[in-house]
Amino acid sequence: EVQLVESGGGLVQPGRSLKLSCAASGFTYSNYVMAWVRQAPTKGLEWVASISTGGGNTYYRDSVKGRFTISRDNAKNTLYLQIDSLRSEDTATYYCAKDMRGWGPGTMVTVSS
Amino acid sequence: DIVMTQSPFSLAVSEGEMVTINCKSSQSLLSSGNQKNYLAWYQQKPGQSPKLLIYYASTRQSGVPDRFIGSGSGTDFTLTISDVQAEDLADYYCLQHYSYPLTFGSGTKLEIK
Repeated sequence: EVQLVESGGGLVQPGRSLKLSCAASGFTYSNYVMAWVRQAPTKGLEWVASISTGGGNTYYRDSVKGRFTISRDNAKNTLYLQIDSLRSEDTATYYCAKDMRGWGPGTMVTVSS
Repeated sequence: DIVMTQSPFSLAVSEGEMVTINCKSSQSLLSSGNQKNYLAWYQQKPGQSPKLLIYYASTRQSGVPDRFIGSGSGTDFTLTISDVQAEDLADYYCLQHYSYPLTFGSGTKLEIK
């Protein structure tokens, strides 16, 4: 059974950094493109970033380029999202997604002073 | 960027009725290489993470009831839910994964009368 479990969210002050993790199990992790998708409270879904199977290719939405870094550790079956210079508009539930097909339960990030 | 225009914003139906949700992309999602449309549909029930219903515009994900039908090609796509059940209460989103940045429709809220 595919399992994705995000962690690392919380309440953070504007301008600070945070690193989200997503532990994957139940499938051959290294074979799949992985992604982060976020959803602000009461809002729709917003793709954030994707990473290729080997990690050599990364893609970002324009609004997070230069502040967010997606990475993966295929030996640990774990996906990461480093978020720097947090802004209030980054407040959202962040979902980890396997090939945009399977999703984790999400981790909430709240940016507030 | 490919813009996904989804309609309607919301709809309310009685159990047993049929609903249609539309998604229009600003450019074709049809790959000339494999003749597949890179369009997916998701269901998000209250308090839950999104669940994939349909991929490649019309292929039902394993375990999804056959009352969920995806159709369309190119730039115009439809999700039809026949014989709506109370458990179908949810938000529905389309996603184009033809090119980066991946983009979602704005969502459709389905309410049951």
